Amino acid sequence: DSGVTQTPKHLITATGQRVTLRCSPRSGDLSVYWYQQSLDQGLQFLIQYYNGEERAKGNILERFSAQQFPDLHSELNLSSLELGDSALYFCASSVRAGVVNEQFFGPGTRLTVL
Amino acid sequence: DAKTTQPTSMDCAEGRAANLPCNHSTISGNEYVYWYRQIHSQGPQYIIHGLKNNETNEMASLIITEDRKSSTLILPHATLRDTAVYYCIALSDGEYGNKLVFGAGTILRVKS
Repeated sequence: DSGVTQTPKHLITATGQRVTLRCSPRSGDLSVYWYQQSLDQGLQFLIQYYNGEERAKGNILERFSAQQFPDLHSELNLSSLELGDSALYFCASSVRAGVVNEQFFGPGTRLTVL
Repeated sequence: DAKTTQPTSMDCAEGRAANLPCNHSTISGNEYVYWYRQIHSQGPQYIIHGLKNNETNEMASLIITEDRKSSTLILPHATLRDTAVYYCIALSDGEYGNKLVFGAGTILRVKS
């Protein structure tokens, strides 16, 4: 158990819908990262927040947005869902913003878009 | 960030050492070598990282060549639970923010 929690574990929805994935970082970690893992694209970085501030951005679609709240939990919002958005979404956390400290990954949310 | 090259897959007998190579010939002086692994659909797990010197922790050892163009992750006594995809990542320390860029990794199969 990494100490990072993600809810829900599974999510099934229809095309065009909007969903929110939630992540609670390990106690004491200020940085949160979101990754997407699909069969054809592999593990891809989406976005990073540190203490509420966006710090790094990957190839995150405009239909996707994220935020980190004052209590440090983070939410990833996916809208106008398409079939290709079906994937495992992982959240990770670390103490600092820089990368020379390990990232601890949560168990993931499996999103299925029908 | 430097590109890394890993074999697609490897097999290892249970109880033997698993040696996973990684090539990072274009690595720059401030880039660290990180290893993570992912056991079937679970979240990736940090294993070890290093800059120049060899490193060891309770999970593994990391051997980095003197020219830093390649490295080897060693699992000293592989068990069936070590079957996973292993990712080698070369990355500099971005104090402001950074990201892990995962390649295809090496599928390690530990067999009894």
